[in-house]
Amino acid sequence: EVQLVESGGGLVKPGGSLRLSCAASGLTLGHSWMSWVRQAPGKGLEWVANINQGGGEMSYVDSVKGRFSISRDNAKNSLYLQMNSLRAEDTAVYYCVREAPITPHAFDIWGQGTMVTVSA
Amino acid sequence: QSALTQPRSVSGSPGQSVTISCTGTSSDVGGYNYVSWYQQHPGRAPRFIIYDVNKRPSGVPDRFSGSKSGNTASLIISGLQAEDEADYYCCSYAGRYSGVFGTGTEVTVL
Repeated sequence: EVQLVESGGGLVKPGGSLRLSCAASGLTLGHSWMSWVRQAPGKGLEWVANINQGGGEMSYVDSVKGRFSISRDNAKNSLYLQMNSLRAEDTAVYYCVREAPITPHAFDIWGQGTMVTVSA
Repeated sequence: QSALTQPRSVSGSPGQSVTISCTGTSSDVGGYNYVSWYQQHPGRAPRFIIYDVNKRPSGVPDRFSGSKSGNTASLIISGLQAEDEADYYCCSYAGRYSGVFGTGTEVTVL
């Protein structure tokens, strides 16, 4: 079964840091661009960041530039999101998502999400 | 990187058709034929239902179709069914490997 499983979410104080991880099974992450997409409670989806197959090309939404860093370890079939200087507005469910090989920036496989809560 | 504009809600009776619009700019929707759509039921992860404006992934019913004109893309759900009641989001490539989602539309089956 193809599966993406996120971990690392939790409660953190404003200004703190968290590292999210995403482990894949049933598929090889190294073949695809990968993204993180988030959804604040009761709100819509927001694309956060992506990374190419080799890890040399990354992009970020403006609101997280300089604070978040996406990376991958293809040998471990895993994706990561290092989140620093966290703010209340970063509170959301974070989804690990595969970008469809057949077209850019379309997300065909989603994890179940991990909740990040930024609160004092 | 402003969110694409979708209507907050649309509704229809079983068997009817509903259309959800997704309006962006020439820098995203209007500039590329890389619009995708997602269905999300409460408490669940989104499901991929349309890509490249009007293509359906394997397993998605042909009741779902897409189109685009200028800076506005549309999702059409024909023959509305009870299980189609969900939130729907568009997404467009916006250049330089980035993308942007729509604001989301709640579909209600009356």
